[in-house]
Order: sequence, then structure tokens, then C-alpha cells
Amino acid sequence: EVQLQESGGGLVQSGGSLRLSCVGSGFSFADAWMNWVRQAPGKGLEWVASITQDGSETYYADSVKGRFSISRHNASRSLYLQMNSLRVEDTAVYFCARDRAFKTFDYWGQGTLVTVSS
Amino acid sequence: QSALTQPPSASGSPGQSVSISCTGTNSDVGAYNFVSWYQQHPGKAPKLIIYEVSKRPSGVPDRFSGSKSGNTASLTVTGLQAEDEADYYCSSHGGSTVFGTGTKVTVL
Repeated sequence: EVQLQESGGGLVQSGGSLRLSCVGSGFSFADAWMNWVRQAPGKGLEWVASITQDGSETYYADSVKGRFSISRHNASRSLYLQMNSLRVEDTAVYFCARDRAFKTFDYWGQGTLVTVSS
Repeated sequence: QSALTQPPSASGSPGQSVSISCTGTNSDVGAYNFVSWYQQHPGKAPKLIIYEVSKRPSGVPDRFSGSKSGNTASLTVTGLQAEDEADYYCSSHGGSTVFGTGTKVTVL
């Protein structure tokens, strides 16, 4: 069974930093593109970042470019999102999601809540 | 890249059909056959129900179907059931990945 488990969310002040983690199991983690997608309270989904299988290429939404960094460690089946210079508008549930191909997200974690206070 | 446009709400009685539109541009929905649909129940993670416009992942009932014409994709749910009450989001990959604004489906 494919499982994704996020952790690392919490309350942080505006301008602060936070690092999210996601551990995958039940599939070949090293062979999968991985992504972060977020959802602000009561709002829709927003793609945040993607990373290729070997971590050599990363892609970001304009809203987080230059502030967030996606990375992975295949040996520990882990995906990360380093979030710096956090803003109130970054408050959201952050999901990690596996990419089956062409940004089709076939498996999702349960999400971790990040709250940025002013 | 702007969010794809979906109607805020749709509804139907049990057993009826409901269709949801997803309108983009000729740079995303109209350019590629990489339209996906996700179902999200309150407090839960999204679930993939349609990919590549009309394909269903294993385990998704055939009551769910997808199509596309020009810059607009559509999700149709036939034989509505109580458990279909949820939020539905489309997405398209065209350079970047963009989601739709979301549609709340209510089963009357």
C-alpha cells in the first residue's frame, strides 16, 4: 500500500522558517517525481513545488520562488520543503503528493498545517 | 498562471447526473491532454479520480467520466450517491501546474 506521511508543520511568525518532511512507503520512492501542494483554509489547491527522481531538477510556483526549497533523500525515502521568509499568506495545509506522470498526483499524504502569524 | 475556472457549486438528487466544467486557455487545458480531476471530502486529502482527460485509476467507479472540448474539460458523475458529496478540483499541466477553483457537489 502506498503511503505518504508529512510532518513538521506548526505555528511560526512572519519572516520565520520551517522545514516540512514527507516519508514515502509502499512504492519505489527513488523512481518517483514528488511534489508539494498546499491548501489555504477554506480555499482551493495550489501546486507549490516539484522535484525530479534524482533531485537534479526542481520547479516552483511563482508565489514561493526564492523563498522555498524542495529536496529529497532517496535512501531514507524522504521529501523535504524548506520554507524561509514565511508570510501570513503561506498559511495552509501542505500535502506531499506522488506524480504518476505529467503532474498527475496519484497519491497524497494527509497533510500538515502551517500557520504563519503576524 | 491563473487558476482554471469551475462553477462554485453543483447539485443533484440521488441517481441523477451532475456535470462540472473546467475552463482554461489554449496554453493549458486546450494545449495538452493532461487534465486531471480530484475529489476531496472535508478534512481529507484529495483523491485522483480522472487523469489524462478521461482515464480512471483502478478502483474509481465508472460512474465518474471525463471529457474535453477545446479549452474546457468536464467531469460527469452519473448515478449520484450520497458519498459523492465533496469538493471537486480539476488540474492541467501546461508548463506549470494549475488547479481549478473547485466545485462543491451537493447530493440533495
